[in-house]
Amino acid sequence: DADVTQTPRNRITKTGKRIMLECSQTKGHDRMYWYRQDPGLGLQLIYYSFDVKDINKGEISDGYSVSRQAQAKFSLSLESAIPNQTALYFCATSDGTSGFTGELFFGEGSRLTVL
Amino acid sequence: GESVGLHLPTLSVQEGDNSIINCAYSNSASDYFIWYKQESGKGPQFIIDIRSNMDKRQGQRVTVLLNKTVKHLSLQIAATQPGDSAVYFCAENRGFQKLVFGTGTRLLVSP
Repeated sequence: DADVTQTPRNRITKTGKRIMLECSQTKGHDRMYWYRQDPGLGLQLIYYSFDVKDINKGEISDGYSVSRQAQAKFSLSLESAIPNQTALYFCATSDGTSGFTGELFFGEGSRLTVL
Repeated sequence: GESVGLHLPTLSVQEGDNSIINCAYSNSASDYFIWYKQESGKGPQFIIDIRSNMDKRQGQRVTVLLNKTVKHLSLQIAATQPGDSAVYFCAENRGFQKLVFGTGTRLLVSP
């Protein structure tokens, strides 16, 4: 079983719909992240959370919101989806207990298409 | 299939050759650099890292070189294998423990 699980893996929706992407992890890490991947643009940080009570905006947070429901769960919401939010979304975790190592553990991605 | 990387720079090598993948970074204050490998249909996977007080670090079949003078990072893969075919991303830590990723390079290994 994957250590970082994302659901759904694929989703097609229409403009204006609310979408939630969910992420759960069994690694016991306190830090969780949401990234967006577009062709030719690498990965861009949307939001990150260092513990349950901590939420921080990343580079491209506009149009997105997140919820850290528990240490193991971090969900990303698009309140009103638009076509330019069509992308591949990745959840990631890292272990902050021994300082920053840069090693993120990624899920397998959620492909979102907004028509 | 994987849509990421349609317009990525591509490095094509033969199996057994050594591969060198380059990355330029822009922030001279970045103190930590990482290489990730992304296989088709999967999330990125950590390969190797290097701190800014080092200029070289070696792992198993991989070496990362850091040239702070010209803000350049490279990943060398020895004896490249078909399983090394993937998209490779460099990433830099610009503070507050957030990584900023480069756009990636696709490595194609021919048997």
